[in-house]
Amino acid sequence: EAGVAQSPRYKIIEKRQSVAFWCNPISGHATLYWYQQILGQGPKLLIQFQNNGVVDDSQLPKDRFSAERLKGVDSTLKIQPAKLEDSAVYLCASSLDPGANSPLHFGNGTRLTVT
Amino acid sequence: AQSVAQPEDQVNVAEGNPLTVKCTYSVSGNPYLFWYVQYPNRGLQFLLKYITGDNLVKGSYGFEAEFNKSQTSFHLKKPSALVSDSALYFCAVRDGVTGGGNKLTFGTGTQLKVEL
Repeated sequence: EAGVAQSPRYKIIEKRQSVAFWCNPISGHATLYWYQQILGQGPKLLIQFQNNGVVDDSQLPKDRFSAERLKGVDSTLKIQPAKLEDSAVYLCASSLDPGANSPLHFGNGTRLTVT
Repeated sequence: AQSVAQPEDQVNVAEGNPLTVKCTYSVSGNPYLFWYVQYPNRGLQFLLKYITGDNLVKGSYGFEAEFNKSQTSFHLKKPSALVSDSALYFCAVRDGVTGGGNKLTFGTGTQLKVEL
């Protein structure tokens, strides 16, 4: 089966600019996640969708970050305006269902550098 | 709140020797435990999981993990390491308590280096 697709792979922007990331999950996977992985740290959940509804966005900095999954398939994550501390790898993952024993399948990530 | 600790930033082992990557966890309810591996410039790949049942769980690429409830540990093991096993390994936990949601919390990762 095709894996989780993310684009772009790399992005360099200046602080205060905006940026958007795209994710296409594995076909049939109802649950989609966005994680932020700062260098030297484990991934941190930003937002979780179940179909097109938000399940958990408690760690999403809502003053600058937004995400949507309008048709319950593809998703976009946006940062506006970006700060230096947003430099990280943004990982998208999907799972068949939101069950606790359902493993996540990750994309290769988008590496964001904010200068 | 749930948490995961990986006490070693890096583990070095010679090829052919057994390896262990340590993980301890803290949850309110029953733990759902996972190991993932990350190669350079790639996303995380699922290795294995413990939900219930046998304490020794077998996964991909010859890896296994042992669940120890009394020590709240879930150490990753492999009997004979390969150079190709060199990568970053993450332990993760979900809290199985009713109503606790299914948020997956990751440790900070352990870099495994297997040398000839």
